[in-house]
Amino acid sequence: AQKITQTQPGMFVQEKEAVTLDCTYDTSDPSYGLFWYKQPSSGEMIFLIYQGSYDQQNATEGRYSLNFQKARKSANLVISASQLGDSAMYFCAMREDLTGTASKLTFGTGTRLQVTL
Amino acid sequence: DADVTQTPRNRITKTGKRIMLECSQTKGHDRMYWYRQDPGLGLRLIYYSFDVKDINKGEISDGYSVSRQAQAKFSLSLESAIPNQTALYFCATSDLREEQFFGPGTRLTVL
Repeated sequence: AQKITQTQPGMFVQEKEAVTLDCTYDTSDPSYGLFWYKQPSSGEMIFLIYQGSYDQQNATEGRYSLNFQKARKSANLVISASQLGDSAMYFCAMREDLTGTASKLTFGTGTRLQVTL
Repeated sequence: DADVTQTPRNRITKTGKRIMLECSQTKGHDRMYWYRQDPGLGLRLIYYSFDVKDINKGEISDGYSVSRQAQAKFSLSLESAIPNQTALYFCATSDLREEQFFGPGTRLTVL
């Protein structure tokens, strides 16, 4: 079963507008972490933001914020005041705890964001 | 200097050839990972290692092997490359929070 679901293969947003990229997850673990990464056309993976399952407040990093709705198992990324340089692929990922202190990340299939003038 | 480096950055090889992708990191992390990325499929975990003596298979380990030569080095090998292993390969390291720091990627083409 897919553990991270990104239902938007592609999104368009006008420059200076806000955009929300959706992510839902599935886990029965009480302790988990959620991440968003950006992949520009050059290919590198850039960490954007992290939300822990026990964090009381939504994470924010500059123009990025994570709308964490635990009961709905969603962790949407909100980008405010979009810029042309935000055009990229965006991946949601979840940390899954294994045994002891071991854990790994599972990635969604990504959303391609295009910012237009 | 980059914290996570991968060599080579691009490689074209033929079916049946053995190939090794190398990864080095200067972040001092114990945890290292190899992923492959295919269009429309996101990143999938091939192998991961939590220390020099610990190697674990990920979701798509068939056809691959790894070696953790030191804390800072984690190599991925394709013993006999096949065309459907054409992909973008990423090495990553992580701290305990599992924020993963990625290398620049290796674009591998198997003809």
